[in-house]
Amino acid sequence: QKEVEQNSGPLSVPEGAIASLNCTYSDRGSQSFFWYRQYSGKSPELIMFIYSNGDKEDGRFTAQLNKASQYVSLLIRDSQPSDSATYLCAVNENYGGATNKLIFGTGTLLAVQP
Amino acid sequence: KAGVTQTPRYLIKTRGQQVTLSCSPISGHRSVSWYQQTPGQGLQFLFEYFSETQRNKGNFPGRFSGRQFSNSRSEMNVSTLELGDSALYLCASSGGTGKNSGNTIYFGEGSWLTVV
Repeated sequence: QKEVEQNSGPLSVPEGAIASLNCTYSDRGSQSFFWYRQYSGKSPELIMFIYSNGDKEDGRFTAQLNKASQYVSLLIRDSQPSDSATYLCAVNENYGGATNKLIFGTGTLLAVQP
Repeated sequence: KAGVTQTPRYLIKTRGQQVTLSCSPISGHRSVSWYQQTPGQGLQFLFEYFSETQRNKGNFPGRFSGRQFSNSRSEMNVSTLELGDSALYLCASSGGTGKNSGNTIYFGEGSWLTVV
């Protein structure tokens, strides 16, 4: 059973701080990884995807992937109260382009305190 | 560029009835997947369609079915509704399938189904 694990939180950070969200996955063959943000009552919104080891930056967001250790993280710099949401880590069970099937973690609730 | 469109957004059904949900993917996207989200089980994969063919299926009973049309629009159907089917049903659209294509997967706003 392929699994994706996240700390459910809540993770509380002060406004302006760096929020660090972590995710581990069980399938060593996993190749692409996604971070989604979901506000209460809304659908998941894609923040970033990453498939190569290392860092990928997009504005205030940085995704980090370490395939050897099977973890992926998301850093949010200069956290704002509007960043308060549930952050979902997802792994694409996509081997050789055969399918698009995301396996999700349970999500981490982030609370940014003004 | 229009996003993923799901209809209806909200609906209430009675136990035993059936429901059909519709999804129009992003223009040019050929892969459409469906997910169920509940507070207890989180986000779970239902099935994926690509070029009118079901490519993958999750662990849901046969009451859950879907199809895709030649214009990539997709529908999912749930028959003999149960109270536990109350959930947010999400459609996801993707344009690529290559191993390292970085194919992005976008979600629609979802259809909120309440079974009473």
